[in-house]
Amino acid sequence: GAVVSQHPSWVICKSGTSVKIECRSLDFQATTMFWYRQFPKQSLMLMATSNEGSKATYEQGVEKDKFLINHASLTLSTLTVTSAHPEDSSFYICSARAQTLVGTQYFGPGTRLLVL
Amino acid sequence: GENVEQHPSTLSVQEGDSAVIKCTYSDSASNYFPWYKQELGKRPQLIIDIRSNVGEKKDQRIAVTLNKTAKHFSLHITETQPEDSAVYFCAANFGNEKLTFGTGTRLTIIP
Repeated sequence: GAVVSQHPSWVICKSGTSVKIECRSLDFQATTMFWYRQFPKQSLMLMATSNEGSKATYEQGVEKDKFLINHASLTLSTLTVTSAHPEDSSFYICSARAQTLVGTQYFGPGTRLLVL
Repeated sequence: GENVEQHPSTLSVQEGDSAVIKCTYSDSASNYFPWYKQELGKRPQLIIDIRSNVGEKKDQRIAVTLNKTAKHFSLHITETQPEDSAVYFCAANFGNEKLTFGTGTRLTIIP
């Protein structure tokens, strides 16, 4: 149980294009999902908290117009990196919070984004 | 905001010996402390967690201890094996269940 999938696993795009990443909870409903970014050899940095049916809450320093988050259902949240630039290249990981266990987060496999 | 410090940043242990990783947190309201193991290029995997109503939790070779007064918690891995080699992250919750992660410990098990 508590499986989270993420798609795509790899994406290479040209500078200026937009990239959409999907995060799905496969066997449980997730009212809250989280989006993290991880640079090489660094820790996970929370970008935003995604709540089903409402606007996402962004962490300080994260541009909400650049990183668009949509959480349209209890099993799907999407992150769109708009007008991507090389400095946006990173490992993006989502997590979903299980309703039955307060605090517990299960992570997706991550999406490695390379912007040329 | 919440701050979580983790030590050491790297740790090499002979196979069969024990490994200990320590974390401290700043928010006294934190009540949930998970530990994640991340292999290169993979997702963080929850290996054990502890809530503030207990002081210790054990799962086979892995144990976590919590000292709420001192605001620190530790991961203990006994009888280490080569497959234990990975990066380990501690975390603490704050506010509306967001997690703040420590900086990570790269554990290497020497055969």
